[in-house]
Amino acid sequence: DAGITQSPRHKVTETGTPVTLRCHQTENHRYMYWYRQDPGHGLRLIHYSYGVKDTDKGEVSDGYSVSRSKTEDFLLTLESATSSQTSVYFCAISESPAGGGSEQFFGPGTRLTVL
Amino acid sequence: AQTVTQSQPEMSVQEAETVTLSCTYDTSESDYYLFWYKQPPSRQMILVIRQEAYKQQNATENRFSVNFQKAAKSFSLKISDSQLGDAAMYFCAYRSAGSNTGKLIFGQGTTLQVKP
Repeated sequence: DAGITQSPRHKVTETGTPVTLRCHQTENHRYMYWYRQDPGHGLRLIHYSYGVKDTDKGEVSDGYSVSRSKTEDFLLTLESATSSQTSVYFCAISESPAGGGSEQFFGPGTRLTVL
Repeated sequence: AQTVTQSQPEMSVQEAETVTLSCTYDTSESDYYLFWYKQPPSRQMILVIRQEAYKQQNATENRFSVNFQKAAKSFSLKISDSQLGDAAMYFCAYRSAGSNTGKLIFGQGTTLQVKP
């Protein structure tokens, strides 16, 4: 199994509070992704990173920011959590975006509840 | 923009029987990849099988096989000799072959129940 961990695994927070989720990998893969999973929507891309300090938005990026200061860590921050951000968040990694080595490996997920 | 549709929210199959999960997609691209992921109750996303659009031969992985119909933009997953451990949510996903992001586009998912 690819070495991907997410922390915390579960979190309950209140509306308006800041929340940071961490993804840590030991595979030295260049690409990292944050997805959210909601019933009826499958997984949707929030943000992704193609290298240290190189990040870009996905399709549902409003209300989220990311940072990647080291190859192994990709942080997802909710500056002011809202109930609509209650979801399961997955981190994924890949060596490249296409072609060989482009398979994405997923972390175990973080269940976030915003009350 | 590409879209992926799984029209069966839930399916059930008897143990040892065969079941087919449906997936359709919409794209104007000619080169892409298609995937089926399995998500058991543990929530872990597991890659089951992948298909490259330029390959006409359908992919197989042990009891899992796909029926890839490029013209119809259809990508179904067949599970043979179903086992209790196959019970999970299954997601179909699309990725452009020329992508510089690697972004996966997922369907809504199909929950598969396996009856003993």
